[in-house]
Amino acid sequence: GAGVSQSPSNKVTEKGKDVELRCDPISGHTALYWYRQRLGQGLEFLIYFQGNSAPDKSGLPSDRFSAERTGESVSTLTIQRTQQEDSAVYLCASSRIGGETQYFGPGTRLLVL
Amino acid sequence: SQKIEQNSEALNIQEGKTATLTCNYTNYSPAYLQWYRQDPGRGPVFLLLIRENEKEKRKERLKVTFDTTLKQSLFHITASQPADSATYLCAPESGGSYIPTFGRGTSLIVHP
Repeated sequence: GAGVSQSPSNKVTEKGKDVELRCDPISGHTALYWYRQRLGQGLEFLIYFQGNSAPDKSGLPSDRFSAERTGESVSTLTIQRTQQEDSAVYLCASSRIGGETQYFGPGTRLLVL
Repeated sequence: SQKIEQNSEALNIQEGKTATLTCNYTNYSPAYLQWYRQDPGRGPVFLLLIRENEKEKRKERLKVTFDTTLKQSLFHITASQPADSATYLCAPESGGSYIPTFGRGTSLIVHP
């Protein structure tokens, strides 16, 4: 079926506004990951969901960041009171189960003015 | 702390030559290691996975080696083509965690 999709593809917002990013994983994939990639930098892990287990939030950089996932479906990453340093590409990936090969979406490019 | 090192400088080679990219890791013993390709403006794409009991793995023009003693993986592209130009990321399994750690990647530029 279709790969991982993310929306919006691009988002420009003003400092202090909240943003919500969406990820649709591959159907049947129980594991879902969010990463942040700043320009010219590597992937920075944010949060990991596995089925109905409690998510691993160890990579979230501050309490302004949160994410939700209902069962094995769509996930949303919310950034509250955005700051300029939040500008980056936010990538979502899913895998059949945790630890297996990840399939990435195209990312959401966030620019905070 | 766990650390992954990939050459930060871009690798420039001529079309037809073999490209060799290096991934070194310290302070952990991954059960497997993955290589991904990332093109500008796109998400990484999985290429190959090699397990700790495998010395070498091949897929078409790609070859990966895994030396657990040296704590190093080498990624080779033979008969390179300009279309191979991209950033290549290595991702060792993080010692039982389900969260792989990605290296910063090495940019490969193949000149026609």
